[in-house]
Amino acid sequence: GAGVSQSPSNKVTEKGKDVELRCDPISGHTALYWYRQSLGQGLEFLIYFQGNSAPDKSGLPSDRFSAERTGGSVSTLTIQRTQQEDSAVYLCASSLQGAWHEQYFGPGTRLTVT
Amino acid sequence: AQSVSQHNHHVILSEAASLELGCNYSYGGTVNLFWYVQYPGQHLQLLLKYFSGDPLVKGIKGFEAEFIKSKFSFNLRKPSVQWSDTAEYFCAVNANNAGNMLTFGGGTRLMVKP
Repeated sequence: GAGVSQSPSNKVTEKGKDVELRCDPISGHTALYWYRQSLGQGLEFLIYFQGNSAPDKSGLPSDRFSAERTGGSVSTLTIQRTQQEDSAVYLCASSLQGAWHEQYFGPGTRLTVT
Repeated sequence: AQSVSQHNHHVILSEAASLELGCNYSYGGTVNLFWYVQYPGQHLQLLLKYFSGDPLVKGIKGFEAEFIKSKFSFNLRKPSVQWSDTAEYFCAVNANNAGNMLTFGGGTRLMVKP
């Protein structure tokens, strides 16, 4: 079946602009995660959605970052007033409920803020 | 908060050499442990995972890892590497009281020379 898809694959934006990144999880996966991979660093957790529960936003680096998940499926990560330090690859993953289930990762969106 | 350390940032091996990549975590409670791999141009994918039971776990492509609780370690091993193992390897930890998100190490880039 189809894996996790993300769009766009690449995004170049000017400092100060807002951007929206989209994630389509695997059908039937109730858990959805956003991570960020900055140059030379590992993956950093951003936010986690599980079913209809309130999302865990503990990893969001600032209030310029927000995310929503509509209808328990597609998710959008929004970064307002982008800064150069926001440049990174943003990865989305989905899984069945429960920490023991494998997280399936999408291809990522490479964001470059000029 | 838990953290994960991968002390080897870059490893270069010749084919048929043995591999061991270190992973240490800093959390004293119950943990779930993972190794993910990212081949060039591909998505992150799961190599293996440990939740409970036999501390020696076997994954895909001949990889295995051993959980040593007393050392807070989960090192990845392969007795004989191949050129196709060239990739970046990430160790990740889920702490049982921290939701389902993963905390990743900084990654180890492995290059296998033919």
